[in-house]
Amino acid sequence: QKEVEQNSGPLSVPEGAIASLNCTYSDRGSQSFFWYRQYSGKSPELIMFIYSNGDKEDGRFTAQLNKASQYVSLLIRDSQPSDSATYLCAVNNNFNKFYFGSGTKLNVKP
Amino acid sequence: ETGVTQTPRHLVMGMTNKKSLKCEQHLGHNAMYWYKQSAKKPLELMFVYSLEERVENNSVPSRFSPECPNSSHLFLHLHTLQPEDSALYLCASSQAVLDYEQYFGPGTRLTVT
Repeated sequence: QKEVEQNSGPLSVPEGAIASLNCTYSDRGSQSFFWYRQYSGKSPELIMFIYSNGDKEDGRFTAQLNKASQYVSLLIRDSQPSDSATYLCAVNNNFNKFYFGSGTKLNVKP
Repeated sequence: ETGVTQTPRHLVMGMTNKKSLKCEQHLGHNAMYWYKQSAKKPLELMFVYSLEERVENNSVPSRFSPECPNSSHLFLHLHTLQPEDSALYLCASSQAVLDYEQYFGPGTRLTVT
């Protein structure tokens, strides 16, 4: 079983719609959860992190965490073509144990 | 220069060659990391250094040898690699090992022939 699982996509949404990206993790003891965005040919950049159950909002982005279900999601409101990228979910189980998912490719169509 | 830099950006090497990848961070961070990114696979954390001391080695083959001479520089020495080692090698840094914000370099695209 993979530590972090994501649907590879591609997920296609029209411009202005809400994009919903999902991630599940296997270690119930996981403490920290991150979303990175990676444009084609570029390195990952952190866009959101969440530690506690519930929602965390930052501009057009909302991260949602449900530890009981071992599920974390990223919502992108008012999606723009510039949001088209691969979104990587990462989980920090404990000291130094970082696991990334394979990523979900998002296409936002003008 | 700002952020995290990596050289070379592209490297082609034979299986019997020895080469080194270099990473430098200009952020004053204390922790540095090497990741491997292969096509269709998740990012794999290879090595973690905190204040120049290796704190994690995630079962990486010995043909990969890291070196951290100071908190700003990180090297990955390569020897007798295999074709399956072809990948994008990413360096990252953060203020501390437990710190959430990891800044990535642009990566070195390695091809082993």
